[in-house]
Amino acid sequence: DGGITQSPKYLFRKEGQNVTLSCEQNLNHDAMYWYRQDPGQGLRLIYYSQIVNDFQKGDIAEGYSVSREKKESFPLTVTSAQKNPTAFYLCASRVDSLDYGYTFGSGTRLTVV
Amino acid sequence: ELKVEQNPLFLSMQEGKNYTIYCNYSTTSDRLYWYRQDPGKSLESLFVLLSNGAVKQEGRLMASLDTKARLSTLHITAAVHDLSATYFCAVDILRHSASKLTFGTGTRLQVTL
Repeated sequence: DGGITQSPKYLFRKEGQNVTLSCEQNLNHDAMYWYRQDPGQGLRLIYYSQIVNDFQKGDIAEGYSVSREKKESFPLTVTSAQKNPTAFYLCASRVDSLDYGYTFGSGTRLTVV
Repeated sequence: ELKVEQNPLFLSMQEGKNYTIYCNYSTTSDRLYWYRQDPGKSLESLFVLLSNGAVKQEGRLMASLDTKARLSTLHITAAVHDLSATYFCAVDILRHSASKLTFGTGTRLQVTL
């Protein structure tokens, strides 16, 4: 079945460490997105990519980096510059057509230890 | 800057009662989504509303859209415990061939026996 796979499900980061969250989709979707969710809050957009080798900053991009070398993959790196990275991270994708919808992954919960 | 506001933020209701969640947004939207989220889980798509006056129903949930008032509602009829979850509205805007969702803060619904 087609879908979005995020890994790992749980991730622990030490202070000053960079970590990378994986997001892979086999839906042949063009656009991919990363959202951050803090407890009791809505989702905020970190980065998004409409096509391979191109991406744009969202509302809270500071301390994060992404790449889009393949259509299926959109990894997110949480750098040491992100001072409060503990959150739930959701990846999403969207097909580029008139009748489009978003598909969300199952999420990665990142905790700083 | 697009703002999406939901109210109430928390809703405790008895089984069998009716209630409405409101979603206001600050700028013209191309489409509006409603999602459900269970604790620790990803988002489940409920409705996509495409045009003014759109109404969609699934079981005990009904969503509507008034683009002139920039308002969407999610009406719950005869609530049951299984509907306990957090509900988000999200506004989708297409600009320069790039589409992205902006989420409301969510409404945590608790249905009590």
